[in-house]
Amino acid sequence: AQSVTQLGSHVSVSEGALVLLRCNYSSSVPPYLFWYVQYPNQGLQLLLKYTTGATLVKGINGFEAEFKKSETSFHLTKPSAHMSDAAEYFCAVSEPSGTYKYIFGTGTRLKVLA
Amino acid sequence: GAGVSQSPRYKVAKRGQDVALRCDPISGHVSLFWYQQALGQGPEFLTYFQNEAQLDKSGLPSDRFFAERPEGSVSTLKIQRTQQEDSAVYLCASSFRTSGGETQYFGPGTRLLVL
Repeated sequence: AQSVTQLGSHVSVSEGALVLLRCNYSSSVPPYLFWYVQYPNQGLQLLLKYTTGATLVKGINGFEAEFKKSETSFHLTKPSAHMSDAAEYFCAVSEPSGTYKYIFGTGTRLKVLA
Repeated sequence: GAGVSQSPRYKVAKRGQDVALRCDPISGHVSLFWYQQALGQGPEFLTYFQNEAQLDKSGLPSDRFFAERPEGSVSTLKIQRTQQEDSAVYLCASSFRTSGGETQYFGPGTRLLVL
């Protein structure tokens, strides 16, 4: 069965510092990978996704992620954190066939310090 | 509407009550998913519809959970005889089609508290 691991349930960075949120997946076939952000009392909003092609994916709000097959990773980065980036971030992998349902990691709560 | 909507946003139920949660997907979206998000956890898959057909209900935790989408648009998730362990946020998501890499668009969720 597929699974997603997000290392670090809580991450704190200073405003203006690099944001790095880690995601590793287990999949025996090329996966479809997603990062979503969830603000308090709101639904999940797509930041970016990897399907095929270029392994460096750019998303909204200055975020990007790189698919590394050899490391089975899809880490999320942003060069300079902003206070508005404080939220919970979820990495997900989609089933490669069938319903294409998502399997989510347990999430990383990002705190941005002034 | 522009996005996925869900109602009610909050629901408090006494243990043993039945509840019904509604999801209005984005118009024209074929696929509809329900997920359950426990406190401090990531969402977990409950069930999937392609139009009106429920093709996967493998994530429903018990036979007290029932979902329908009779006309291929609005969906209802019903929980009978609610238990405290049912307390969670229930998220609905829709996507335009069923294919790999398709983006799922999520509603704001219904937060259910069972007392």
